[in-house]
Amino acid sequence: GENVEQHPSTLSVQEGDSAVIKCTYSDSASNYFPWYKQELGKRPQLIIDIRSNVGEKKDQRIAVTLNKTAKHFSLHITETQPEDSAVYFCAASRPGGKLIFGQGTELSVKP
Amino acid sequence: DAGVIQSPRHEVTEMGQEVTLRCKPISGHNSLFWYRQTMMRGLELLIYFNNNVPIDDSGMPEDRFSAKMPNASFSTLKIQPSEPRDSAVYFCASSLPAGINTGELFFGEGSRLTVL
Repeated sequence: GENVEQHPSTLSVQEGDSAVIKCTYSDSASNYFPWYKQELGKRPQLIIDIRSNVGEKKDQRIAVTLNKTAKHFSLHITETQPEDSAVYFCAASRPGGKLIFGQGTELSVKP
Repeated sequence: DAGVIQSPRHEVTEMGQEVTLRCKPISGHNSLFWYRQTMMRGLELLIYFNNNVPIDDSGMPEDRFSAKMPNASFSTLKIQPSEPRDSAVYFCASSLPAGINTGELFFGEGSRLTVL
């Protein structure tokens, strides 16, 4: 069945450094790859997404890259700030299908 | 719009009791999803509906769990009888119709269930 693997499970960086979170997916028909941020005790919220016809997308300090051949996609956060500390989830879905989430990465940005 | 509304926000109950969680999706959204979140298993999709019809319930753990969507503005997730291992945060989420679907899920604030 569909599966999304996410690494690392925890990530600690110094303020100002970059953070990279990687995901792989199993369903080759997947065409939509969002990233959600969940702060402690809050709901997950979409921060950026990418579709399979695009290799990279950027929004200020965050960017996502997609390699469809390898079935990999990654989240890049540059110039990290303490407010970036949260759990980040990647996800994948096929057209009209359900969204399958990775296990999450707990990012800690130390001031 | 008030967003996806879930109730109750917190529930503490004893093993064997019936639990009913409620969700009101965003008006105009025709897809509704129930997720369960635990430390061990992350965000698991339990069931989702399109136009009030259950499409995929393969994530429902067992017969103790059931979900309904009697109309476009209301859904329930019921656990009967509840067990301690059902303790989790249950999220409801909704999304736009497929024709104009950005793919984004809008989550409610979640219902934190504790079964003693």
